[in-house]
Amino acid sequence: DAKTTQPTSMDCAEGRAANLPCNHSTISGNEYVYWYRQIHSQGPQYIIHGLKNNETNEMASLIITEDRKSSTLILPHATLRDTAVYYCIALGRASGSRLTFGEGTQLTVNP
Amino acid sequence: EAGVTQSPTHLIKTRGQQATLRCSPISGHTSVYWYQQALGLGLQFLLWYDEGEERNRGNFPPRFSGRQFPNYSSELNVNALELEDSALYLCASSLGQGKGSYEQYFGPGTRLTVT
Repeated sequence: DAKTTQPTSMDCAEGRAANLPCNHSTISGNEYVYWYRQIHSQGPQYIIHGLKNNETNEMASLIITEDRKSSTLILPHATLRDTAVYYCIALGRASGSRLTFGEGTQLTVNP
Repeated sequence: EAGVTQSPTHLIKTRGQQATLRCSPISGHTSVYWYQQALGLGLQFLLWYDEGEERNRGNFPPRFSGRQFPNYSSELNVNALELEDSALYLCASSLGQGKGSYEQYFGPGTRLTVT
């Protein structure tokens, strides 16, 4: 799997958009970008994934650059419950369906 | 729609005993995954089951084993418990069809404490 790099921590005001960046400069053509989050002491939660087109679902939007070397997860209206560690991972067939999280970004949403 | 459920929520065992953890996947999901998350460590992949078969196994000793039942629920057994087995054990499920998926939905976990 391609290595991903994320900032260690970010802050966001409640009600504002949270934009979480991820670099994956060595991503290969068949690797998808997946985002998960983990709220303290809970199981990880799938958020969204994409290959090269921008994606949106009820939780978030995923913007992938044209060269696919980086992406941004957007939470349009962050709430206090969005405080969590967010993980960006690049996954292809070689990973054998096993998820491995790196350090992730600790997002703190402030009132 | 019910999510992934796990039982028990907490489990306390002594060293050398056996632990059995249970997981029920989301209805319609045939793949079940088990992960270990020890304090301060990342997510470690244990096992993947699909359609009753073990499809992939992480780098854990044989005393970690499991099975998947015809209704797709799953059980993780840990024999000869060691202190370092203390961790949060997470179960996830996904649509399988023999291929597995990275779009996995996790349960709340079972906190295993070995004393």
